[in-house]
Amino acid sequence: GDSVTQMEGPVTLSEEAFLTINCTYTATGYPSLFWYVQYPGEGLQLLLKATKADDKGSNKGFEATYRKETTSFHLEKGSVQVSDSAVYFCALSDPTGGGNKLTFGTGTQLKVEL
Amino acid sequence: GAGVSQSPSNKVTEKGKDVELRCDPISGHTALYWYRQSLGQGLEFLIYFQGNSAPDKSGLPSDRFSAERTGGSVSTLTIQRTQQEDSAVYLCASSLENYRVEKLFFGSGTQLSVL
Repeated sequence: GDSVTQMEGPVTLSEEAFLTINCTYTATGYPSLFWYVQYPGEGLQLLLKATKADDKGSNKGFEATYRKETTSFHLEKGSVQVSDSAVYFCALSDPTGGGNKLTFGTGTQLKVEL
Repeated sequence: GAGVSQSPSNKVTEKGKDVELRCDPISGHTALYWYRQSLGQGLEFLIYFQGNSAPDKSGLPSDRFSAERTGGSVSTLTIQRTQQEDSAVYLCASSLENYRVEKLFFGSGTQLSVL
């Protein structure tokens, strides 16, 4: 079945540091890939997405590139801020499964300190 | 309201009791999802409602779990004879039919603790 594996947290960084959160996937078909973010006390919200190989999703300074050859979708940001502290979830939607549900990773907590 | 609303935000219950969790989706959203987030686990799909179609119940972990959606809007997730392993955050999400998972909006969840 479909699965998503992401690096365990928590990840603790100083402000302005470079961020990478690794995500790899297995899927039956050709999935769409997503990063969701959950800020403290809030619901999950879509951060960025990519729907085909070599697509780069980007939002709020975050980027992730769909790499079919390595089945990866790593999240990066060049300079993190304290306000980026949250839990980040990698997810996929597989069209062979109907495309109507998301398969999530376990989430990675990010803490950014001054 | 503007977003997906879930109630209660926290629920503590005793093993063996039944619980009901409520979800109010965004007005006009025809698709509604329930997910479960257990400690150290990813979000686990439970059930999906789409309009008047039969729900996709493939993620429900046992027959103690059931869900209904009345009038195509509010949904209730019921867990009968709760067990300690049911302790988790239960998340509801909704989307417009046309967007499917592309535009899922999540509620803040119900933290269920089974003692």
